[in-house]
Order: sequence, then C-alpha cells, then structure tokens
Amino acid sequence: GAGVSQSPSNKVTEKGKDVELRCDPISGHTALYWYRQSLGQGLEFLIYFQGNSAPDKSGLPSDRFSAERTGGSVSTLTIQRTQQEDSAVYLCASSLVLGEHTEAFFGQGTRLTVV
Amino acid sequence: AQTVTQSQPEMSVQEAETVTLSCTYDTSENNYYLFWYKQPPSRQMILVIRQEAYKQQNATENRFSVNFQKAAKSFSLKISDSQLGDTAMYFCAFMKYGGATNKLIFGTGTLLAVQP
Repeated sequence: GAGVSQSPSNKVTEKGKDVELRCDPISGHTALYWYRQSLGQGLEFLIYFQGNSAPDKSGLPSDRFSAERTGGSVSTLTIQRTQQEDSAVYLCASSLVLGEHTEAFFGQGTRLTVV
Repeated sequence: AQTVTQSQPEMSVQEAETVTLSCTYDTSENNYYLFWYKQPPSRQMILVIRQEAYKQQNATENRFSVNFQKAAKSFSLKISDSQLGDTAMYFCAFMKYGGATNKLIFGTGTLLAVQP
C-alpha cells in the first residue's frame, strides 16, 4: 500500500486479556515508531525501531507492553493483561531516517478500549 | 531529556483571519528539527511544516509559517487566511538529529477551531 497501515482500526477487549496491534510501514522505511494517544492528550512515545539497531524501548510504560519488528518490516505491539488505563489510540509511524528531506508518515491508529 | 510545551489547549479563529499557535521546547542539543503536525478528526497525522535548527530563515509552506527563536527555544506556527479545513489538533514536535535514536517528542497539542 501507499501509506502506513494499522490493524485493527478499533479493538474492544476485556480487562486482563492480551491484545496485539499490527503496523505495516511504508515499504523501504527503516524507522518505525509507536505512540500512544490518550483522550485529550498528546502523543506519548512508546518504542522506536531503526534498521538492525537495538530498539529504543524507553517509552514503554510497563513490562506488560512489548513490541517486535520482523524482518525490518511489519511491527506488532503486544499488551498483556490489559488494564482500563491502556484504553487509547495507538499510532504507528514510519520513515526513512528522519532528516532534512524526510518525514514520519503516520497510520490512522488503532483505538483500543478495555472494558 | 527534551520536552515540548504547548500552553494553549484550545484556540478559535474566524475564517480568513490569522492565528498563531505557541510552542516552546527545552533541550541542550544544538542540532535538531522542529515540526508542526496537524491531526483532523480523521486521526490522520499530517506534517504541516518543518524547521531545521541550523537554519536562521523561518520555514514557510503556503499559508503556514513559523517564527523560530532558537535562543528563546520558541517555535510558533502562524496560519494565515484560516480555512474551515484547518480545524484540527495541532502538535508541535522535536527531534534530535543524529545519535542512536531519532524519536519524535510531541507536545500535548492545541485544538484549533475555525469558525465560519
């Protein structure tokens, strides 16, 4: 596809269940970001992948959150034992290495609701 | 650590008027980029404008321009001739250039409403 694709677009899950959110970046983009956007809040950085380098996991809020990027392409964000405070929109973005002539392209997000 | 502050949670402007959104940031870095992103109700984040810290000239993109004050660590966005389609959440973002990570750090956003 031409843009960053995220699936599902909406997810309702019961408290305590595990969820997986998927991100298909733009082909050829070496950098991939995950952000969390709570209602009325800004974008909270979660994790950043760049090529074959070790990911920057400094934004993951707890050990219930993990992410992987297989083959330098598709990424999955996993939330284990979901809590109500995990309810948010999860945004993925990809880019070539950000610089003067590049930008981060965002998907439309997955809205996660934990009930 | 870098931080980005947007002190205006909401703003309103009449169609065809000009509005300025404020952004300040804190960093000890010398090489970085600053961005303004727009998020309409569709949730799709769209890059509006970008500024390289090493450039003294303010960036412009059609009706959008910035006032970049490096010493003051200020990066405001001016929207001229506001249009109804400009109604959106606007986020200011910072990225350190180079190093092991190029993560974007966002402010909390300003919700702009353009009134007919």
